[in-house]
Amino acid sequence: GIQVEQSPPDLILQEGANSTLRCNFSDSVNNLQWFHQNPWGQLINLFYIPSGTKQNGRLSATTVATERYSLLYISSSQTTDSGVYFCAVATYNTDKLIFGTGTRLQVFP
Amino acid sequence: DAMVIQNPRYQVTQFGKPVTLSCSQTLNHNVMYWYQQKSSQAPKLLFHYYDKDFNNEADTPDNFQSRRPNTSFCFLDIRSPGLGDAAMYLCATSRDSGAGANVLTFGAGSRLTVL
Repeated sequence: GIQVEQSPPDLILQEGANSTLRCNFSDSVNNLQWFHQNPWGQLINLFYIPSGTKQNGRLSATTVATERYSLLYISSSQTTDSGVYFCAVATYNTDKLIFGTGTRLQVFP
Repeated sequence: DAMVIQNPRYQVTQFGKPVTLSCSQTLNHNVMYWYQQKSSQAPKLLFHYYDKDFNNEADTPDNFQSRRPNTSFCFLDIRSPGLGDAAMYLCATSRDSGAGANVLTFGAGSRLTVL
């Protein structure tokens, strides 16, 4: 099955810093989503982005489908950005979303 | 606001004592999913309903069952919880299947502790 690897596994930032999270996948996909899991466990959908670039406030995401990776950019990080970021993908022959390994982000004041 | 509601948020049970977790949605979505997430791991799909059609993952233990009595509600039944079943259980919905429609909305989760 498809493999989904995220890097880095852990990231520690001071408030105000910028960061880039990466998601690599081993097969062609037609569905890619980024999620933020807050410290209480709630998963929030950030982006549906199987290709191209999207922006939402301080967050933006880019997926280069032909090279099988996606990037999530967080600018001017805040303590509320802390949590785990997951990407999830689905291939052309299944609707099943496979979650990546996650990146744990801690933002300190 | 349209949303996905899970109850209870926290459930403590004894080894072997059956548990039922519930999920309701006001989004009128066709597809409902149950994921299991153990500590420091990614969510793992247990099963999903496309409308009334039940789809079980091959590696989901028989101990886990699900019911969807109507569009709005879905239940997860754990018949005889073991210590290894302690986890966060996440319900999600999507409008439909297919790439553009399969965008997940999650509930807040139900955290299960097994004593």
